[in-house]
Amino acid sequence: EVQLLESGGGFIQPGGSLRLSCAASGFTFSNYPLSWVRQAPGKGLEWVSGISARGDNTYHADSVKGRFSISRDNSKNTLYLQMNSLRAEDTAIYYCAKPHLGSGYYCFDYWGQGTLVTVSS
Amino acid sequence: EIVMTQSPATLSVSPGEGATLSCRASQSVSSNLAWYQQKPGQAPRLLFYGASTRATGFPARFSGSGSGTEFTLTISSLQSEDFAVYYCQQYSSWPPAFGQGTRLEIK
Repeated sequence: EVQLLESGGGFIQPGGSLRLSCAASGFTFSNYPLSWVRQAPGKGLEWVSGISARGDNTYHADSVKGRFSISRDNSKNTLYLQMNSLRAEDTAIYYCAKPHLGSGYYCFDYWGQGTLVTVSS
Repeated sequence: EIVMTQSPATLSVSPGEGATLSCRASQSVSSNLAWYQQKPGQAPRLLFYGASTRATGFPARFSGSGSGTEFTLTISSLQSEDFAVYYCQQYSSWPPAFGQGTRLEIK
């Protein structure tokens, strides 16, 4: 059974940093690109960042480019999101998501339960 | 960037009736369109991919159609467990983009 378990969320002041983790199991982690998708309270879904299966290519939404960095450790089956210079508008539940096989990078068939990041003074 | 627009924002329907949700892309996404269902406090769940291929675990009362820029999610004979928020998403080109969602509520 595929499982994605996020951790690392919490309360942080504007300008601060936080690193999210996503521990994966139930599939061959190193074969899949992965993404982070966020959802602000009461709002819709926003794709944030993506990374190739080997970790040699990364992609970020314009809203986080230069502030967030996605990475992975295939030996630990873990995905990361380093978030710097956090802003109030980054407040959201952050989900890690695995793509559906055969549908490219960005059609997601498994999602974690999410971890809440709250940026506030 | 492709912009996804869903309508209506909220749809009130009685159990047992049918519902039709729409999604429009600002430019063609071919059939690279997904639908997700999200219930309160839960992560989204893939409902359709390829515009019309139903994902595992969803019954046949759900159907998806469309290609290019116009897409439709149809639910026949709504059950209590179907009331949720539905999102469309294009994965044809980068960056992937979601619609703002349609809330399907009990009338």
